[in-house]
Amino acid sequence: GQQLNQSPQSMFIQEGEDVSMNCTSSSIFNTWLWYKQEPGEGPVLLIALYKAGELTSNGRLTAQFGITRKDSFLNISASIPSDVGIYFCAGRKFNNNDMRFGAGTRLTVKP
Amino acid sequence: GAGVSQSPSNKVTEKGKDVELRCDPISGHTALYWYRQSLGQGLEFLIYFQGNSAPDKSGLPSDRFSAERTGGSVSTLTIQRTQQEDSAVYLCASSLVSSYNEQFFGPGTRLTVL
Repeated sequence: GQQLNQSPQSMFIQEGEDVSMNCTSSSIFNTWLWYKQEPGEGPVLLIALYKAGELTSNGRLTAQFGITRKDSFLNISASIPSDVGIYFCAGRKFNNNDMRFGAGTRLTVKP
Repeated sequence: GAGVSQSPSNKVTEKGKDVELRCDPISGHTALYWYRQSLGQGLEFLIYFQGNSAPDKSGLPSDRFSAERTGGSVSTLTIQRTQQEDSAVYLCASSLVSSYNEQFFGPGTRLTVL
């Protein structure tokens, strides 16, 4: 199926550093979502974006819905060890019941 | 709290055998989804249920895959004549009414086909 291009694939950072990851697509999505998955668990929704240009924060997390509706980024500020996990972007088209997921960004935070 | 539960958590089977994976959605959630997550990949949509009916089966990879949902609650994903490429984590999610509500994921079933 249609895939979102997510980068980077992995990141190794020091505690306290900021992190940025993004997703791009060749087609337009009406909703962008960011999930975090920890080992042995299903993904958990972090942020949902519904409008082109929208910038939304959730604590230390900030995400933006690109103005072209073909991309989104997620920033994590002042990372902490519990931020470790795999972060997935997902896009949903209007009137579609399924979501398309990126391949994930594996984040490692060194204390 | 009663989140989405899946069973078994791990399943090892031999090539050619059939397997059944179970999903118990959050009580009251009418929409249910199955996804497949292969190693190092994102989630691949398989099928969506609204109540007991599946209006969208477009993601099922082959006719060896089928799913059903009874009583608007429990769902079973069946893979017949399993192949090694079926090895993956199978995730189930449910949402209140439709895909426009947040999807809550279960912990997944890790399937290994030897």
